[in-house]
Amino acid sequence: DAKTTQPTSMDCAEGRAANLPCNHSTISGNEYVYWYRQIHSQGPQYIIHGLKNNETNEMASLIITEDRKSSTLILPHATLRDTAVYYCIVRVARGYQKVTFGTGTKLQVIP
Amino acid sequence: GAVVSQHPSWVICKSGTSVKIECRSLDFQATTMFWYRQFPKQSLMLMATSNEGSKATYEQGVEKDKFLINHASLTLSTLTVTSAHPEDSSFYICSATEAGTEAFFGQGTRLTVV
Repeated sequence: DAKTTQPTSMDCAEGRAANLPCNHSTISGNEYVYWYRQIHSQGPQYIIHGLKNNETNEMASLIITEDRKSSTLILPHATLRDTAVYYCIVRVARGYQKVTFGTGTKLQVIP
Repeated sequence: GAVVSQHPSWVICKSGTSVKIECRSLDFQATTMFWYRQFPKQSLMLMATSNEGSKATYEQGVEKDKFLINHASLTLSTLTVTSAHPEDSSFYICSATEAGTEAFFGQGTRLTVV
């Protein structure tokens, strides 16, 4: 799986959009970009994934650059409950392919 | 999203005893399950991958005789920590995936060995 690089930590004011960047310059053509988050002392939660088009669901939006070397996860209106570690992962979209976690970004939403 | 249930949520055991952790996929058939371990302030570390009906594949450095994994059905995998010691105290997390794309995670099990 391709390696990803994320900032160690970020702050965001409550109610504002949180934009979390991820670099994955060695991504292969058949690898998807996945985002998970882990709230303290819980298992990771799936957020969103995409291949090359931008994606949106009820939780977040995913913006992938045209060259696919980087992406941004957008939480449109951050709340205190969004405080978590956010992991950007690239992997082939097959069920048996393992999910390997990097260090992620610790997002702190501030009141 | 799909639901993965892990049990127990926390367990305290005496040094030298064995502990079994269960991971169930509640609304889908999990052809593949993954087991992770997470120490405080660290990321998740993959321990092993198990496919239903097959022996688990362990990551380098993980003792297969200490961490026994069974994936006997499409909805249940178990991790048994044998002869547990204080250094095995950690947060253990399972993940399950069908033939599709996303992997869904259990809520984790906090193991404390005293």
